[in-house]
Amino acid sequence: AQSVSQHNHHVILSEAASLELGCNYSYGGTVNLFWYVQYPGQHLQLLLKYFSGDPLVKGIKGFEAEFIKSKFSFNLRKPSVQWSDTAEYFCAVLSGGYQKVTFGTGTKLQVIP
Amino acid sequence: EAGVTQFPSHSVIEKGQTVTLRCDPISGHDNLYWYRRVMGKEIKFLLHFVKESKQDESGMPNNRFLAERTGGTYSTLKVQPAELEDSGVYFCASSSGVFSTEAFFGQGTRLTVV
Repeated sequence: AQSVSQHNHHVILSEAASLELGCNYSYGGTVNLFWYVQYPGQHLQLLLKYFSGDPLVKGIKGFEAEFIKSKFSFNLRKPSVQWSDTAEYFCAVLSGGYQKVTFGTGTKLQVIP
Repeated sequence: EAGVTQFPSHSVIEKGQTVTLRCDPISGHDNLYWYRRVMGKEIKFLLHFVKESKQDESGMPNNRFLAERTGGTYSTLKVQPAELEDSGVYFCASSSGVFSTEAFFGQGTRLTVV
């Protein structure tokens, strides 16, 4: 079965610091990859997704992620975080032709002004 | 356009009671998904409807959980009788096509069983 690992459970950064959140998945075949974000009190929103093509994917709010197939990774990055980026971030993988998505445990990001 | 709406936002019930969660998907979305997040753990798939039919219910924990989607519109998830381990946040999502296009999530229902 597919599994998704997010190694950082809680990250605290100062504003303007760079961000990288790790995500690794287990399935070796064709995958679709997602990063979702949940701001406090709000619903899950899609940040970005990868299906095929350029492994460097750009999303909303200045986020990007890089798919590295050889490392089974899809890390999320942002060069300079803002206080408004405080949220919980979820990596997710759709694989095997099925429509159920496997999520990671989430990473809580706290940005200090 | 209205998003995915879930009712109630919070529910606190006693062990052994029944609770029904409701999800109103985005109008026109044939695909409806239920997920659950137990505290501190990953968001887990429960089931997937295509219109009124259950496409995949492999994630349903046990027969205390019953999901329906009458007429292919809104969906309900009933837990009867509720147990302590059922506590968590229940998310609903809908999409027009397969999940890989984009699924839109509701705000979730936080269920606490005491």
